Amino acid sequence: AQRVTQPEKLLSVFKGAPVELKCNYSYSGSPELFWYVQYSRQRLQLLLRHISRESIKGFTADLNKGETSFHLKKPFAQEEDSAMYYCALNTGNQFYFGTGTSLTVIP
Amino acid sequence: DTEVTQTPKHLVMGMTNKKSLKCEQHMGHRAMYWYKQKAKKPPELMFVYSYEKLSINESVPSRFSPECPNSSLLNLHLHALQPEDSALYLCASSQVITYFGQGTRLTVV
Repeated sequence: AQRVTQPEKLLSVFKGAPVELKCNYSYSGSPELFWYVQYSRQRLQLLLRHISRESIKGFTADLNKGETSFHLKKPFAQEEDSAMYYCALNTGNQFYFGTGTSLTVIP
Repeated sequence: DTEVTQTPKHLVMGMTNKKSLKCEQHMGHRAMYWYKQKAKKPPELMFVYSYEKLSINESVPSRFSPECPNSSLLNLHLHALQPEDSALYLCASSQVITYFGQGTRLTVV
């Protein structure tokens, strides 16, 4: 069963517009959730983890246990945000990736 | 140091060749992983090593053979690969956060 769902494969927004990348998870325990980003020709790198509740590059993500969601948001998208974004769930034994959302920010 | 270092960065090999991919981390992480990533797809888990012992093998064909010589090193030995094995091979290590290497882009000809 798919543990992490990212419903949008592709997402395009204009520069300066708000952006939200959706992530839903399925896990009965206490989830540890992450957002990873992969810029073109670069390594997969950690963007956010839910425990730290910080904002990185203007992105935030809030864990909603009721809706089992961990959506990634940014109020004003920048061109350099264009990348592949993966939501990930760590259950302690395993690390599950979502299928990814390719974000394109149109200038 | 939050680096996971992989060598080589690129590898082209024939179907009869034997080659190895190498991965190194000095963060003291006890879990290390091999992933395979095709273009525009998420990484697919291949192997997990925990405390230098193989703990998960995701039904990977035997032409891929992992090895963990010590707590900082992870190898992936390749033999008799097929063209469809061409992909980006990622190494990762974790304690709580998972850190990824740059990957080895493998082309099988």
